[in-house]
Amino acid sequence: QKEVEQNSGPLSVPEGAIASLNCTYSDRGSQSFFWYRQYSGKSPELIMFIYSNGDKEDGRFTAQLNKASQYVSLLIRDSQPSDSATYLCAVNDYNQGGKLIFGQGTELSVKP
Amino acid sequence: DVKVTQSSRYLVKRTGEKVFLECVQDMDHENMFWYRQDPGLGLRLIYFSYDVKMKEKGDIPEGYSVSREKKERFSLILESASTNQTSMYLCASSFSVTNEKLFFGSGTQLSVL
Repeated sequence: QKEVEQNSGPLSVPEGAIASLNCTYSDRGSQSFFWYRQYSGKSPELIMFIYSNGDKEDGRFTAQLNKASQYVSLLIRDSQPSDSATYLCAVNDYNQGGKLIFGQGTELSVKP
Repeated sequence: DVKVTQSSRYLVKRTGEKVFLECVQDMDHENMFWYRQDPGLGLRLIYFSYDVKMKEKGDIPEGYSVSREKKERFSLILESASTNQTSMYLCASSFSVTNEKLFFGSGTQLSVL
């Protein structure tokens, strides 16, 4: 059973700090990695995706991928209370193209 | 922007009823998916479809069926609703097999009494 693991949290950080969210996956054949943000009562929305080893930056968000260690992380710099949400890591199932496997999500709380 | 529309935001049904959840996307996406989301269990894939009239079972297909008669529409059917099917149901679509970025609808909170 292919798995994507995340700490459920809650992860609590003060406003302005860096929030670090981590995800590990079991399928070495995975090639595409996604981070979704889900506010309470809302549906998930895509915020970052990464395909290659290394870092990918988009504004205050940085996705990091290490395929050798099978982990992907999301850094949120200068965290804001509006970043408080559940963050879902998703990894593609290479053998069933287009199908994503989701982690259970990490709840982030940014305290003013 | 991609728009994925689910027909109902809240739905209350009785045990044994046949339930239809409708989903429409407006961006000519090939792939469509139905997930359910439960506290502590995350997102679980029920069924997905790569093309019209095609369907594939996901991780938890029991008690559900789907229909995709047109490319833009993907319906989830609960043949005989049960209380353990009370959940948030999320429809999603993606452009193609090689472009897996998912776009979600706003969800349908189904309560089966």
